Amino acid sequence: EVELVESGGGLVQPGGSLRLSCAASGFTFDDYAMHWVRQVPGKGLEWVSSISWNSGSKDYADSVKGRFTISRDNAKNSVYLQMNSLRAEDTALYYCAKDISPYDSSPYDYWGQGTLVTVSS
Amino acid sequence: DIQMTQSPSSLSASVGDRVTITCRASENIGNFLNWYQQKHGQAPKLLISHASSWQTGVPSGFSGSGSGTNFTLTISSLQPEDFATYFCQQSYSTPRTFGLGTKVEIK
Repeated sequence: EVELVESGGGLVQPGGSLRLSCAASGFTFDDYAMHWVRQVPGKGLEWVSSISWNSGSKDYADSVKGRFTISRDNAKNSVYLQMNSLRAEDTALYYCAKDISPYDSSPYDYWGQGTLVTVSS
Repeated sequence: DIQMTQSPSSLSASVGDRVTITCRASENIGNFLNWYQQKHGQAPKLLISHASSWQTGVPSGFSGSGSGTNFTLTISSLQPEDFATYFCQQSYSTPRTFGLGTKVEIK
């Protein structure tokens, strides 16, 4: 059974940093691209970042480019999102999601339950 | 960026009703259109990819159609477990944009 478990969220002050982690199981992790998608509770979905199977391709939404960094460790079946210079508008539930292919092609066939990031003073 | 416009933003329907949700892309995306279902407090679940391809385990009452800029998700006979919010997403270009969602509520 495919499982994605996010962690690392919490309350952080504006300008601060957080590192989100997503632990994957139940599939061959290094065969698939992975993504981070965020959602303000009660609102829509916003794609944040993607990473290909071998980390050779990474992409970011304009809203986070230069502040967030995606990475993965295939030996640990994990994907990460380093978030720096956090802003109030980054407050959201952050989901880890699995692609159907090795590259960022979408759709996302499995999602974790999310980890909540709150940016507030 | 490609803008995805869903309509309606919400609807009320009864069990057994036929429900149609529309998604319009701001430019031609071929059939690179996916539909997700999100129940309250849960993560999104992929229902349909490439405009009309069911995912494993999705009830046959769900169907998708369309190409280019206009797409529809149809629920042929609404079941109690179908009350949720539905999102479309284009996978034609980056950023992979989503519609704002359609909330299907019980009448």
